[in-house]
Amino acid sequence: SQTIHQWPATLVQPVGSPLSLECTVEGTSNPNLYWYRQAAGRGLQLLFYSVGIGQISSEVPQNLSASRPQDRQFILSSKKLLLSDSGFYLCALVGDREYYEQYFGPGTRLTVT
Amino acid sequence: GEDVEQSLFLSVREGDSSVINCTYTDSSSTYLYWYKQEPGAGLQLLTYIFSNMDMKQDQRLTVLLNKKDKHLSLRIADTQTGDSAIYFCADDDTDKLIFGTGTRLQVFP
Repeated sequence: SQTIHQWPATLVQPVGSPLSLECTVEGTSNPNLYWYRQAAGRGLQLLFYSVGIGQISSEVPQNLSASRPQDRQFILSSKKLLLSDSGFYLCALVGDREYYEQYFGPGTRLTVT
Repeated sequence: GEDVEQSLFLSVREGDSSVINCTYTDSSSTYLYWYKQEPGAGLQLLTYIFSNMDMKQDQRLTVLLNKKDKHLSLRIADTQTGDSAIYFCADDDTDKLIFGTGTRLQVFP
C-alpha cells in the first residue's frame, strides 16, 4: 500500500530563515506528487506538483520553490520565510492516474514568528 | 480558471441527515470526489463519482451529481459526532485536482 512520510511534523521558524520540508513516498513508482498549503481556517492551496523527476509545475508565484531529485522524494524550500508562509503543509500523491485518487501525508505545521 | 465552491459551515444534530453542497465550473471533469479532513490530519478520500453517473450510494453516504447545473452534493445519513470534520469536494483537471474551499461540519448532540 502507498505511504507518505513528511517531516518534520511541526516547525517554528523566524521570519527570514530558510525552509526545507521533505516528503517521501513508498509503495508506488512514478507517482504524481503535490504540495498543498492550508492556512488556518482556510481551504487547500495547491503550491506545486510534479509528474516526474525534475519536472515541477508551479501554481502560485511566491517565495517558495520545489524540487524532485528522486522518483519518490519531493522537497519544498524557501530561502527567506515570510509571516504569511505559516500554515499546514500537505504532501500528496497520485499513483493511479485513471481515477486520480490523491493520498495525503500527515502534514507539517509551520509557524513563522 | 476552473473553480469549485462550497458553503463554509454546516451544523446538524446527531442522528439527522447532513447535506453538503458543491458547485463547479469545469464541464470536462471525468470524476468528482469528496474528501474528509479530521483536525490536524491530511485528507482522506471518502467517495467519488464518475461524471456519467447521477447518483452513487456507499453505506451512509449518497452522492448526487447534476451535470447540467454542475452541482454535486454529499448526503450523510444518521450523522454521528465522529462525522465532524471538514469536507472537500474536488474535480479533476489535467494532472491535478481542483479542491473546493471545504465545508466544516459540526455535529451536536
